Amino acid sequence: AQTVTQSQPEMSVQEAETVTLSCTYDTSENNYYLFWYKQPPSRQMILVIRQEAYKQQNATENRFSVNFQKAAKSFSLKISDSQLGDTAMYFCAFMNLQGAQKLVFGQGTRLTINP
Amino acid sequence: DVKVTQSSRYLVKRTGEKVFLECVQDMDHENMFWYRQDPGLGLRLIYFSYDVKMKEKGDIPEGYSVSREKKERFSLILESASTNQTSMYLCASSPRDTHTEAFFGQGTRLTVV
Repeated sequence: AQTVTQSQPEMSVQEAETVTLSCTYDTSENNYYLFWYKQPPSRQMILVIRQEAYKQQNATENRFSVNFQKAAKSFSLKISDSQLGDTAMYFCAFMNLQGAQKLVFGQGTRLTINP
Repeated sequence: DVKVTQSSRYLVKRTGEKVFLECVQDMDHENMFWYRQDPGLGLRLIYFSYDVKMKEKGDIPEGYSVSREKKERFSLILESASTNQTSMYLCASSPRDTHTEAFFGQGTRLTVV
C-alpha cells in the first residue's frame, strides 16, 4: 500500500524568505505522479505543482520548485520569496498510474508567512 | 471552467440517521474520490471509483459505502451516522490520463449530534 508522510505539522517564516516543506512516500510502483496541493482558509484545494516519476528533471512553477529524489522516495517543496498569500495548509500526494488509480495524501503542513 | 460540486457545505445530522453526501463533476472524469479531513490526520481516503459501478475501498472504509450509477455522480453514504464521523468531507475527480490533476469540491462539514 502507498503511504505519504509529512513530518512537519507546522512551519512559520518571514515574508520574502525561502521555505522547504518535506514529504516522503512509500511505494513499490514504478509509474506514478506526485503532487503538492495548497488549501487556503477558503478550503478549496489548489494544485501547486506536479511531478511525473519518470522525469528526472525537477518540476518548477514560478516561485515553487520541487526536489524529487526517486531512490530516496523524497519529494520536497521549496517556496522562494514567500508571500503572505502563501499562508495555507500544504498537502503532498501520490497517485499510481497502473491499475486502479488511487490518490493518497499526507498529513499536511500548516505554513504561516509572517509580515 | 471545470467544476466539482458537493451538495451541501454544512450539514447537521442525528446519530443513527442515514446520510447521503453527493458529488457531481462536469469534466467527464473516470476517477472519483471521497476523503475525510481531520486536523493532524490530513486527507484520508474513504472510497474511490475508476468507472461507473466500480468502487475500491480506501484506507478508512468502515462505516461508509458509496454508489456510482452515473459517470458524473459519486455518492458517499453513512449507513448509520455516529459522532465519530463528524468531519470535513472532500470529493475529488481526475481523468484517467493524469496529465491533468485531480479537482476538488468545496467540502462538506458534517456534524453528527
